[in-house]
Amino acid sequence: DTGVSQNPRHKITKRGQNVTFRCDPISEHNRLYWYRQTLGQGPEFLTYFQNEAQLEKSRLLSDRFSAERPKGSFSTLEIQRTEQGDSAMYLCASTDRTSGAYEQYFGPGTRLTVT
Amino acid sequence: GESVGLHLPTLSVQEGDNSIINCAYSNSASDYFIWYKQESGKGPQFIIDIRSNMDKRQGQRVTVLLNKTVKHLSLQIAATQPGDSAVYFCAENSGAGSYQLTFGKGTKLSVIP
Repeated sequence: DTGVSQNPRHKITKRGQNVTFRCDPISEHNRLYWYRQTLGQGPEFLTYFQNEAQLEKSRLLSDRFSAERPKGSFSTLEIQRTEQGDSAMYLCASTDRTSGAYEQYFGPGTRLTVT
Repeated sequence: GESVGLHLPTLSVQEGDNSIINCAYSNSASDYFIWYKQESGKGPQFIIDIRSNMDKRQGQRVTVLLNKTVKHLSLQIAATQPGDSAVYFCAENSGAGSYQLTFGKGTKLSVIP
């Protein structure tokens, strides 16, 4: 499978715990995006990387959230001191901007449930 | 802030009929638009895109129309099939150096066999 992959697919955690999600973009895609989606809503942009540089961050990305893409390949999204309001689907997408393309290809998402 | 919205939250069509899903956007600076299909439990799947310098683009069984005068975007699906049942989102990129997509709430398409 050469699409965007995300792990884990599901995560249940207790309020106050830290969680980390991983995203592996499509090979050679230099741009990587994180979105959050709650039930019945469209995805909301969180942050964007070009290679290893984090170039854009949404106001939704509070100081409890941190994202990294250390080698310009996979990325991690960590949420510290989780709150029930963090329960959502976390989606990763990637784009091969060097080809002139704009379309973002999404992974299957990680569904987070905070109890 | 400005956002993408949808006219119809749900749409039911008979198998074989054509479907039209509409979307209104408010950011006149948006220069790129995408339609995504999302099935239950899956991530959004790219369907078709269009740039602001175009008013129509066709794909396989799908056509996207862009009317910049009234800030309206539509997705037409020809000969709708049961496999087309999903939630459809339109999304826009506002340009100006930003690469984020702004999504609407989605329209659920149900195909009646």
